[in-house]
Amino acid sequence: AQKVTQAQTEISVVEKEDVTLDCVYETRDTTYYLFWYKQPPSGELVFLIRRNSFDEQNEISGRYSWNFQKSTSSFNFTITASQVVDSAVYFCALSEAGIANFGNEKLTFGTGTRLTIIP
Amino acid sequence: EAGVTQFPSHSVIEKGQTVTLRCDPISGHDNLYWYRRVMGKEIKFLLHFVKESKQDESGMPNNRFLAERTGGTYSTLKVQPAELEDSGVYFCASSQDQRLAGHNEQFFGPGTRLTVL
Repeated sequence: AQKVTQAQTEISVVEKEDVTLDCVYETRDTTYYLFWYKQPPSGELVFLIRRNSFDEQNEISGRYSWNFQKSTSSFNFTITASQVVDSAVYFCALSEAGIANFGNEKLTFGTGTRLTIIP
Repeated sequence: EAGVTQFPSHSVIEKGQTVTLRCDPISGHDNLYWYRRVMGKEIKFLLHFVKESKQDESGMPNNRFLAERTGGTYSTLKVQPAELEDSGVYFCASSQDQRLAGHNEQFFGPGTRLTVL
């Protein structure tokens, strides 16, 4: 069965520091998708990124970057030069996309990492 | 374009009562998902609709939970009778038809915080 582990429950850093949120996943499917969602204090889950299992290229979007390594089953998320607005709970999620799951893209989430940026 | 909306935002009920949560997905999204986060744990899948049909309800905790999506538009999730362990945040998400746009991102609503006393 699939599983996502976010070992860091809470992280606090001072503004402008870089911070990396860890995500380790388990799946038997060879085809899958990985996601990161942000949950700000307002409560909704905001989509940040989707990455499929065949694309191991790292991605950068502004101050955000993601490092996908199949060899270690990890999909880590780094925020560079953190800002107070980055304070939120961040969830990593997995969706298996093999034939058995065709048409059902249910997400398996980790327990989330609460990130606090100290001004 | 309106996002996924959920009603109510908060609900406080007593054990044994009934509560109905509502989700309005993004217009045109065939897929609708319900998830639940209990006491700071992981967000767990409950069930998945494709239009009005239940595609997967393997995550439903027990038969006190009943989900419907009449007409393939909005969905309701009824808990009857509610128990203490049902407390948590219930999220709804919607996505496009997978055949049209591949493996899609799910757009989430703000959630309904349910407290059972």
